[in-house]
Amino acid sequence: SQKIEQNSEALNIQEGKTATLTCNYTNYSPAYLQWYRQDPGRGPVFLLLIRENEKEKRKERLKVTFDTTLKQSLFHITASQPADSATYLCALVASGGSYIPTFGRGTSLIVHP
Amino acid sequence: EPEVTQTPSHQVTQMGQEVILRCVPISNHLYFYWYRQILGQKVEFLVSFYNNEISEKSEIFDDQFSVERPDGSNFTLKIRSTKLEDSAMYFCASSDREVNTEAFFGQGTRLTVV
Repeated sequence: SQKIEQNSEALNIQEGKTATLTCNYTNYSPAYLQWYRQDPGRGPVFLLLIRENEKEKRKERLKVTFDTTLKQSLFHITASQPADSATYLCALVASGGSYIPTFGRGTSLIVHP
Repeated sequence: EPEVTQTPSHQVTQMGQEVILRCVPISNHLYFYWYRQILGQKVEFLVSFYNNEISEKSEIFDDQFSVERPDGSNFTLKIRSTKLEDSAMYFCASSDREVNTEAFFGQGTRLTVV
């Protein structure tokens, strides 16, 4: 069956360090993958989109990589700040049909001052 | 900055009652979506809507659910006879195109069925 897996354990890091979050998938042929941020009790907010033929995408302090051989995307936040504390969701859109993204459960990031 | 707005922010209803959740998508967007998120669970797709009709729906979106775009701005989700397991956050989202794009989400309506 198709699965999108994100680490269910919270990631705790110190301010200023780089946070790296992982999204693994199985039994998908992806067209593209998105990363969203979700704060408690709020809707997801789009951060980045990376297509299956792209290796890396950057936006300010954010970087996403996409390895279709490993079936994995990594999401990096450099120079992390306490304000970056949130849950980060990956969402995958499969090729060859529906363009509706399927979400992972998200990983909680806690940045300590 | 344009945003998707949802009302009410919180709705408490008796089991078996009908509820209507309302959304105002971003004005120039053409694709509209409803998602739900049960507490502690992942965001799940319910239905997508384009050109005044449902374009896709999930297994969750059964006969108890319906969507409507009654005028040029509102997009509603109706649950005819609520069940306890319908308790969740319901998010409306919109996008300007179907593919290779981001979805803009509203802040959600927390539905509590008692």
